[in-house]
Amino acid sequence: AQSVTQPDIHITVSEGASLELRCNYSYGATPYLFWYVQSPGQGLQLLLKYFSGDTLVQGIKGFEAEFKRSQSSFNLRKPSVHWSDAAEYFCAVGRIQGAQKLVFGQGTRLTINP
Amino acid sequence: GAGVSQSPSNKVTEKGKDVELRCDPISGHTALYWYRQSLGQGLEFLIYFQGNSAPDKSGLPSDRFSAERTGGSVSTLTIQRTQQEDSAVYLCASSLALAGEYEQFFGPGTRLTVL
Repeated sequence: AQSVTQPDIHITVSEGASLELRCNYSYGATPYLFWYVQSPGQGLQLLLKYFSGDTLVQGIKGFEAEFKRSQSSFNLRKPSVHWSDAAEYFCAVGRIQGAQKLVFGQGTRLTINP
Repeated sequence: GAGVSQSPSNKVTEKGKDVELRCDPISGHTALYWYRQSLGQGLEFLIYFQGNSAPDKSGLPSDRFSAERTGGSVSTLTIQRTQQEDSAVYLCASSLALAGEYEQFFGPGTRLTVL
């Protein structure tokens, strides 16, 4: 069965510190991987996606993620967080071929300390 | 251009009533998805429509839930005889669904509260 695990429910970091949010997936085929961000009361905004090519992908707002097939991971990173990065982050997996439902992780809530 | 829009943004209803939630996808997007976001359950897939193909209804939690998509554009999610456990944010998304372009764009959601 397809599944996504985000082990950290809540993370707190100081403004300016580096960030890594973990995501592990279980998928029977070549996955299409996504990170979305959701600010309070808002919909989901795509940060970045991966389905082939360079395993280090760059996204919006200074985020990047690295696909590691051997570890079934797709961790999200940012070298220096800003207070505006406080939000909930969701990792998701889908099938590469064709329109397909996404399976989401439970989300990681990020709090930024000033 | 315009993004995915959903209406109403908030809906409060009484247990046992029927509700309809509307989604207007991005123009030209052939795939449309409904998800539900609730405390304790996270984000769950409900149903998706792709062009003229039969919809994938595998995520609908019960036969009280149904959805239609008219003219390949606007979609309505209907919940009959609402229950308190139906309280959640219902998110709609659309995508081009072309090779390499499966990114789903999400609307702001409809927050449903069943009293």
